[in-house]
Amino acid sequence: KAGVTQTPRYLIKTRGQQVTLSCSPISGHRSVSWYQQTPGQGLQFLFEYFSETQRNKGNFPGRFSGRQFSNSRSEMNVSTLELGDSALYLCASSPMAGANVLTFGAGSRLTVL
Amino acid sequence: KNEVEQSPQNLTAQEGEFITINCSYSVGISALHWLQQHPGGGIVSLFMLSSGKKKHGRLIATINIQEKHSSLHITASHPRDSAVYICAVRAGNQFYFGTGTSLTVIP
Repeated sequence: KAGVTQTPRYLIKTRGQQVTLSCSPISGHRSVSWYQQTPGQGLQFLFEYFSETQRNKGNFPGRFSGRQFSNSRSEMNVSTLELGDSALYLCASSPMAGANVLTFGAGSRLTVL
Repeated sequence: KNEVEQSPQNLTAQEGEFITINCSYSVGISALHWLQQHPGGGIVSLFMLSSGKKKHGRLIATINIQEKHSSLHITASHPRDSAVYICAVRAGNQFYFGTGTSLTVIP
């Protein structure tokens, strides 16, 4: 079966713009979690969604938001982009909330100029 | 202070060597993950542990809950094992990650 699909794979934005990233989980998986990876901070947890509800949230400002649709697909949005938001954004899907079995997507690489 | 500490940061080994990567954590956890990341970014989950030991092919992962420590072992290392290995723990509603161990296996 298809894996976790993230789109777009690469994108370039300028400061102040906003961006929306998409994650389609493995069929049947109902939980999606999002992570940011930067050379300086490494991997950091952003948030986790299950059944269209945000279950958990990491320590990120309110500019970072997300949602999950009834088909379990998830989007994350970053508003008022800053240079420091340049990162690889990864999502992972899991059958249930609790994210103890994770399958990662290939990531969306965001560059903010 | 980092909730998850990994060692070593970098590791170079000759093909065939036995490799150990260590992970210590300071929070109460419900699960510990070992992740593998190849150049280009994709992450693969190798193991999820809450106790004891797991084995998959040449990879073995152990966890000692009392000592808050986990190890990832690679037996008979191969150049295709070259990657960054990341330890991650789930603690309550949060996920914490180590900074990763960059492994290079030389033929």
